[in-house]
Amino acid sequence: GAVVSQHPSWVICKSGTSVKIECRSLDFQATTMFWYRQFPKQSLMLMATSNEGSKATYEQGVEKDKFLINHASLTLSTLTVTSAHPEDSSFYICSANFDSFQETQYFGPGTRLLVL
Amino acid sequence: DAKTTQPTSMDCAEGRAANLPCNHSTISGNEYVYWYRQIHSQGPQYIIHGLKNNETNEMASLIITEDRKSSTLILPHATLRDTAVYYCIVPGGTSYGKLTFGQGTILTVHP
Repeated sequence: GAVVSQHPSWVICKSGTSVKIECRSLDFQATTMFWYRQFPKQSLMLMATSNEGSKATYEQGVEKDKFLINHASLTLSTLTVTSAHPEDSSFYICSANFDSFQETQYFGPGTRLLVL
Repeated sequence: DAKTTQPTSMDCAEGRAANLPCNHSTISGNEYVYWYRQIHSQGPQYIIHGLKNNETNEMASLIITEDRKSSTLILPHATLRDTAVYYCIVPGGTSYGKLTFGQGTILTVHP
């Protein structure tokens, strides 16, 4: 149980285009989903927290207009990287938990983005 | 989040127990200790968590000292597939479930 999927698993795009990444909880309803970014040889960094039906909360230094997050249902959250640039190339990982006070998070397999 | 300290790297022979330590001396009374691991190029995987009692599941055991200032994750029979970065995390306070990942311990299991 507690499976989280991401799509696509990898994507290559041209600079200036937008890329959408989907995160789904397959066998549970996720009250809260989290988006992380990981650069090579670095640890995961939390980008934002999203709750179903409300606006995402972004971490300091993360541009909300560049990284659009939509949490339309209890099983789906999307991250759109708008006007992607080479410095946005990274490993994007989502996670989900059962409720806001449950700290156990279940992670997706990640999406590798390469912006040319 | 309470700060945690872990060794940068550790080695273990296949089939032997891997004991990964973590210091969390500033932990408060109602904060849990969580362990996750990340195998190369994959998303992190939840392993185990505990408050004050020792915990065991199908993946690992978690031993927490009586003063709760440190803990040890034990993989009883390490395999090559256990090679990963192991993260000890103490979320809490007003973090509302947010996890702060440090650098973790790189565990390498050798044949």
